[in-house]
Amino acid sequence: GESVGLHLPTLSVQEGDNSIINCAYSNSASDYFIWYKQESGKGPQFIIDIRSNMDKRQGQRVTVLLNKTVKHLSLQIAATQPGDSAVYFCAENVQGAQKLVFGQGTRLTINP
Amino acid sequence: DAGITQSPRHKVTETGTPVTLRCHQTENHRYMYWYRQDPGHGLRLIHYSYGVKDTDKGEVSDGYSVSRSKTEDFLLTLESATSSQTSVYFCAISDRFGGNGGYTFGSGTRLTVV
Repeated sequence: GESVGLHLPTLSVQEGDNSIINCAYSNSASDYFIWYKQESGKGPQFIIDIRSNMDKRQGQRVTVLLNKTVKHLSLQIAATQPGDSAVYFCAENVQGAQKLVFGQGTRLTINP
Repeated sequence: DAGITQSPRHKVTETGTPVTLRCHQTENHRYMYWYRQDPGHGLRLIHYSYGVKDTDKGEVSDGYSVSRSKTEDFLLTLESATSSQTSVYFCAISDRFGGNGGYTFGSGTRLTVV
C-alpha cells in the first residue's frame, strides 16, 4: 500500500558538513517525489522534487537521489548551515492518485 | 506564505463547540487540502477539494466537514470539537493533479480543545 517512511527521526550534524536524510517508500507505482522543509512554527516549504524517470536532481546546495530498485529516496544538503535546522519530509505521489502522501519527517539539528 | 492564508492562527475552544477554520488563496489554484499535524503522525490528510463544491475525504476525516463555495476559500469545520482534535492544521494548495509541482502550504492554525 501507500506508505512513506524515514529511517531516522533525528539527525545531528556539524556545521559545514554534508547532511544526508533518507526516506523509504513502499509503492512501486509512485512516480513523483518531493522533499519539504519545515521550520519551527511554519508550514512545510518545497525544496526539490524528482520524477521516477530520473535518478538524481540537483538544486542549490541540495541533491535528491532516487533508487527505484530499493525504493529509496535521499536528500543531500551540502555544507550544512544553521539555517538548515528544520524537519524534513519526503512525499510521494502514486501514479494516477490525486494527492501526495507524506512521511513522518526527520529533524535535522546543526552543531556549531 | 505568499498566496495562501489561514485564519485564525491560534484558537482555544471548549469540548463540544463547533469550530471553523478558514483557508484563503489568491493563486486561483484548483486543488486545496486540509492536513493535521501531530507528533509521531506527520501530516495526515483530512479532506481535499478538486474544484468548487467538489470535495473528498482523506484518511482522518471523521469529525470534520469541509466546504468550498468559491475557488479561493476552503473551510474546515469541526462540528463538535473533541480533545483528540487538538492539533496544528495546515491548508495546502496546488494547481496540478496529484500534487505535481508540489503543494504550497499555509502557516498553520494551532487549535487547542480544552
